[in-house]
Amino acid sequence: DQQVKQNSPSLSVQEGRISILNCDYTNSMFDYFLWYKKYPAEGPTFLISISSIKDKNEDGRFTVFLNKSAKHLSLHIVPSQPGDSAVYFCAASARGAQKLVFGQGTRLTINP
Amino acid sequence: ETGVTQTPRHLVMGMTNKKSLKCEQHLGHNAMYWYKQSAKKPLELMFVYSLEERVENNSVPSRFSPECPNSSHLFLHLHTLQPEDSALYLCAMTFPSSSYEQYFGPGTRLTVT
Repeated sequence: DQQVKQNSPSLSVQEGRISILNCDYTNSMFDYFLWYKKYPAEGPTFLISISSIKDKNEDGRFTVFLNKSAKHLSLHIVPSQPGDSAVYFCAASARGAQKLVFGQGTRLTINP
Repeated sequence: ETGVTQTPRHLVMGMTNKKSLKCEQHLGHNAMYWYKQSAKKPLELMFVYSLEERVENNSVPSRFSPECPNSSHLFLHLHTLQPEDSALYLCAMTFPSSSYEQYFGPGTRLTVT
């Protein structure tokens, strides 16, 4: 039973446009959500996070939106750059759980 | 650069071998984790250590044996592995400043022949 799902295994976006990566979750106990970026042969790198008390968090070109009623979050990257090409993982945590539950990842390719 | 290092970066071992993966950091931490990443699958949590005590073992086969001798080091001892154990093994830490955000090492790419 996968509690965090990224239904798009891949996404291709033109440089300069907006990239939107989506993530759905099923566990209503999750109260903190994170996005990680992973390049080949490297470990995942923390990108941005959001607490369930917020519905938006922004950091430069990256914005995460949380829709608690739909149990859905999304990561917006604008403008997209070639260096953004990577696999993006969504993750969630419940208060006090001390662990993250990850989605399967979405491979983002930015085309010049 | 997360300050979390892993050695070796690549490892090829036969099914009868015994080897160990090492994870190291010197920044202080709340908890340490071992994950397995297989192709096209989510990261699978294997073990969690909090203050050098194992707090979770996610039904991992006994051919994987973790060890946390001190606050800076974490090991994953491997013996009699199977070819399906070939994967990227990742170590992660959380730090006192934020117990949710995990910081990962670069991983060890393990191939079992």
